[in-house]
Amino acid sequence: DADVTQTPRNRITKTGKRIMLECSQTKGHDRMYWYRQDPGLGLQLIYYSFDVKDINKGEISDGYSVSRQAQAKFSLSLESAIPNQTALYFCATSDHAQETQYFGPGTRLLVL
Amino acid sequence: GQNIDQPTEMTATEGAIVQINCTYQTSGFNGLFWYQQHAGEAPTFLSYNVLDGLEEKGRFSSFLSRSKGYSYLLLKELQMKDSASYLCAVREEDSNYQLIWGAGTKLIIKP
Repeated sequence: DADVTQTPRNRITKTGKRIMLECSQTKGHDRMYWYRQDPGLGLQLIYYSFDVKDINKGEISDGYSVSRQAQAKFSLSLESAIPNQTALYFCATSDHAQETQYFGPGTRLLVL
Repeated sequence: GQNIDQPTEMTATEGAIVQINCTYQTSGFNGLFWYQQHAGEAPTFLSYNVLDGLEEKGRFSSFLSRSKGYSYLLLKELQMKDSASYLCAVREEDSNYQLIWGAGTKLIIKP
């Protein structure tokens, strides 16, 4: 079984719709991250969480919100989707001691 | 400011050796990571350097020079399955120890 899972794996939505991407992990890590990846660009950090009560904005948080429902779950919401949010979204986790990040399989989002 | 540079694309031959370079300018360097990413898949961890020198792990080695803001990933005995993008990422104190990512180097292996 995968240690970091993301749902859905693919999503097509329309401009203005609210959508939620979900991430779950069984690694027991305390830290979780949401990134987006666009062709020709590096991974960009949207939000990160060091534990359930600690949420931090990344470099591109505008237009996004997150919820850390439990240590194992971290969801990303697009309140009102727009076409330039079309991208590949990755969730990642890390342990505070090791710092290496482990990635989920990604969610491919298309906003029409 | 933050800036990480890698070549966009490289081509190498099966069985050969290839070196992928990464240069960086960051505030408060706190370690450098290399990840491999096959097309459409998640990045997977390859190596971590925080001190100067060479770290060897099987066919892959990673080198760091903090004074030069420079790292390279060396891949030996190339196999077709090594065709992937290789991502360089730097951890920064001034960014709350988060990773700043390069755009990645797409490596194409030819028979």
